[in-house]
Amino acid sequence: GAVVSQHPSRVICKSGTSVKIECRSLDFQATTMFWYRQFPKQSLMLMATSNEGSKATYEQGVEKDKFLINHASLTLSTLTVTSAHPEDSSFYICSARDRSNTGELFFGEGSRLTVL
Amino acid sequence: QQQVKQSPQSLIVQKGGISIINCAYENTAFDYFPWYQQFPGKGPALLIAIRPDVSEKKEGRFTISFNKSAKQFSLHIMDSQPGDSATYFCAASMADSWGKFQFGAGTQVVVTP
Repeated sequence: GAVVSQHPSRVICKSGTSVKIECRSLDFQATTMFWYRQFPKQSLMLMATSNEGSKATYEQGVEKDKFLINHASLTLSTLTVTSAHPEDSSFYICSARDRSNTGELFFGEGSRLTVL
Repeated sequence: QQQVKQSPQSLIVQKGGISIINCAYENTAFDYFPWYQQFPGKGPALLIAIRPDVSEKKEGRFTISFNKSAKQFSLHIMDSQPGDSATYFCAASMADSWGKFQFGAGTQVVVTP
C-alpha cells in the first residue's frame, strides 16, 4: 500500500539551531500535505496545509516564521523548525493526500524532536 | 476550541469485551468521520471511516455508529484483544478541505488479558 515516510524519525538538537523534517510520499503524488504537532498524551493539532508549488496555509496561532514549510515537489514537503527552543520539543506528524481520484490520505510515522 | 469532543479519556476492558468510544461534533459541514489507531511513537493509522449518509459501518471487529441528528458517532471494538491496546482518535473533515482533520482528544484503551 501507499506509504508516507518521514525523516528523521528522531532528532535531538541544541537550542537556537534549526531542524528540517522531511515528509515524502513514496508511491503516489501528493498535491497536498498536512503537518500536525502532538504533545505527549495529547491529540494531533493541525499546524499547516502544504500545497505543492504554493505557499503553505497556517492554522491560527502557528508562527509562519518559526515553522517554515516548503512543498517543492509532488512527493516532498519539508518542515523547518527555525531557532528551536525546548518548548518546540514535540512529535511532528505529516499526512499526504493522494492526488488521484481516490484521494486517500496517509499519515507518516512521525518525527520526535527534542530541543536541549 | 476543540471542534470534536471525545470520551472517555481512558478505558480499561477485559479481553473479549467491547470497547466503546464516543465523539460529538458541532459543525454540520463535516462530512467525513474517520477513526485512527495510534501506538506509542508511531503515526496514526486509519481504522475505519464513515460518511453521514449511512448510520453504521462494520469492518471486522470494528463498527462505527453514526447519529446525524445528534451529531454523534462512536467506535465499537468487539472481542477486544490485548493487541488493541492503543490510543484511538476520532476525527472529522469537510468536503472542501479533504484531509484537513479536526481530531478528538483521544482515548487510551487498555485491554487486559
